[in-house]
Order: sequence, then C-alpha cells, then structure tokens
Amino acid sequence: QVQLQESGPGLVKPSETLSLRCTVSGQSMHSNYWWVWIRQPPGKGLEWIASVYYDGTTDYNTSLKSRLTISVDTSMNQFSLRLTSVTAADTAVYYCAREKFSSGLNYFDYWGQGNMVAVSS
Amino acid sequence: EIVLTQSPGTLSLSPGERATLSCRASQSLRSSYLAWYQQKPGQAPRLLIYGASNRAPGIPDRFSGSGSGTDFTLTISRLEPEDFAVYYCQRYDISLRYSFGQGTKLEGK
Repeated sequence: QVQLQESGPGLVKPSETLSLRCTVSGQSMHSNYWWVWIRQPPGKGLEWIASVYYDGTTDYNTSLKSRLTISVDTSMNQFSLRLTSVTAADTAVYYCAREKFSSGLNYFDYWGQGNMVAVSS
Repeated sequence: EIVLTQSPGTLSLSPGERATLSCRASQSLRSSYLAWYQQKPGQAPRLLIYGASNRAPGIPDRFSGSGSGTDFTLTISRLEPEDFAVYYCQRYDISLRYSFGQGTKLEGK
C-alpha cells in the first residue's frame, strides 16, 4: 500500500521560506510516476503547485514558479518543496500526492494527510 | 487556459436520492484528462473517477462519470450518508499542467 506523509513547520513568518518534505512508503519513487505538491487555503479549493519525476525533471505552476523549488531524493524515497518570500496568501494545507502521468491519463491517486502551514508573524 | 466551472455550488439532497454534479470546461478537453475527487472535512481528497468515466479502485459502483468535450458529469445513483462531501473536478493540459474546479458541496437535506 502506497503511503505519503508530509512533514514541516506549522508556522512560518512572512518573507521567510517554507520548506516541506514528503516521505513515500510502500513504493520506490524510482518508477513511472510523478510526485506533486498541491495546496488548499482554508475554506477554499485546490491548487496544483509543482511536480517532480524521479530523475529530477520538474514542472511548476507558472503563477508561483519564481518562488518555488521542488526536488527529489530517491535514496531516501522523499521529495521536498521550498517556497520563498511567503505571505499570508500562502497560508494553506499543503498536500503531497502521487501523480499518474502515462497512457494518456493524468490524475492524483494517492495523497498524504496534509500539513497545515500558517504564515504569520 | 482551460477553466473548469462546477455547478451547482451547493446541492441539497437526501440519502437514497440521485445526485448529478456538473463540470464545464471553457474549451474542449480530452476526456482522458478529466478526473473527479471527493473531499470530506479534515481529510485529503480521494480520487473517484479518472479519464472522465473510469472508477478508481475501491470506489463503489454507485459513482459514475460521463461526458466529453466541454461538459462532464459525476453521478451518484443512490446517495449514502457517507457521500455528503465536497466534490472537485480536475483537468490536465500540456501547457499549464493541472487545475481544479471550484467544487460542489453535496449536503444532506
């Protein structure tokens, strides 16, 4: 059974950098899947942030790209997100998920439980 | 950019009734690029339907997806108490990757 678990701070100060990690268990990341971060502000909808492949290939939401870095460590079966210069608008639950991206199909089939991050001084 | 608009915003029904949720795309969308998720309070979203009409593993057969082009539908044939939740459609496109509809809240009457 594939499981994903986010880890990171619950509170980040404005203008600082948000760093989150996702640990994958039950499957090697060195496989035909992408690995993604998705966020959800309180009471709002879902926003795809970024995706990474096991070989380090990345893709970013264009509206956030200048502040984002997503990376992968297949030896640890983890991937990470860094978001710089955060503001209150970055307050959200951050989910990591597995992305199916092959055979003409694209969807997120396994999700972590989410990590709530508040941006506040 | 293809924008997804879900309707209605809120749907009030009773257990045993049929629910029909709509997801309309601003431009024609390849069916294989359309998925549906269910989200309950305090939980992560759960994949229900992928490729517009394929049920994900473990999803009850009362859930079905249909549609093509710009109009897609999620149908729950007979509502169970555990089906009351928020439902999101999601699309993929080559240029901008992924986006979601704004969600439909399915609540008990």
